[in-house]
Amino acid sequence: ETGVTQTPRHLVMGMTNKKSLKCEQHLGHNAMYWYKQSAKKPLELMFVYSLEERVENNSVPSRFSPECPNSSHLFLHLHTLQPEDSALYLCASSQDHRLNTEAFFGQGTRLTVV
Amino acid sequence: SQKIEQNSEALNIQEGKTATLTCNYTNYSPAYLQWYRQDPGRGPVFLLLIRENEKEKRKERLKVTFDTTLKQSLFHITASQPADSATYLCAFTNTGNQFYFGTGTSLTVIP
Repeated sequence: ETGVTQTPRHLVMGMTNKKSLKCEQHLGHNAMYWYKQSAKKPLELMFVYSLEERVENNSVPSRFSPECPNSSHLFLHLHTLQPEDSALYLCASSQDHRLNTEAFFGQGTRLTVV
Repeated sequence: SQKIEQNSEALNIQEGKTATLTCNYTNYSPAYLQWYRQDPGRGPVFLLLIRENEKEKRKERLKVTFDTTLKQSLFHITASQPADSATYLCAFTNTGNQFYFGTGTSLTVIP
C-alpha cells in the first residue's frame, strides 16, 4: 500500500445527487492533490493543497468543491455533475508542494455519472 | 502551454528483451522528470526521479536517461518479465511541484 487511502473505490451517482470523495494519507506529507484520469487523456491536475490551504485550482468547474480540514485528509464534494465527469479520480500526496519529490497516489475512485 | 508526449500508446516485447519507452516534452525546461507505473484500476506508483543535471539514473533493472538538449527522457527495462506489463507514465514538475503527466505507454511483455 502507498499510505494514501481513498474511499469509496467505486461510485455511481445521478446528475442531481450530492456525494463526496474522501482521501486520507498516513505519510506525514504537507501537500495533497486531486487528479482526474479519463480514458486516453493525461492525468489532469484539479487542486493542490499545502498545509490545508489551497494553492492551485486548475480552472475546475464549481460543481467540484474540495475541502482540506487538516493535512491528512482531503475531500472532493460533488454536486450536479455531468456524464462527462465520469472518470477515475485520484488523490495524491507529497512531502511539500514546493519540493520536487515524488507523489504517492491512492487507488482512486471510479466515478460514473448517470 | 507545457506538453508532454509519450512515444506510443502500446508496446509489445518478448520476455527477456529490453523495453525502451520515450517521453518528449515541449514548451518547458523541467528541473526534474519522473516515471511512474500504473496497473489497471490502480493509482500510479513512483519508480524513478531524474534531475536535469543527471544524465542517467538506475534502479535494479530500470534505467532512465534525461537529455535536456533533445527534451527527451528514455525509460529502459532490461531483462523484461511478464510482471512488468503495465502502463508507464512520465511526468515533470515545475517549481510549484505541479505534476504534468503524459498519456502513458502500455507495455505488454509476452512470455
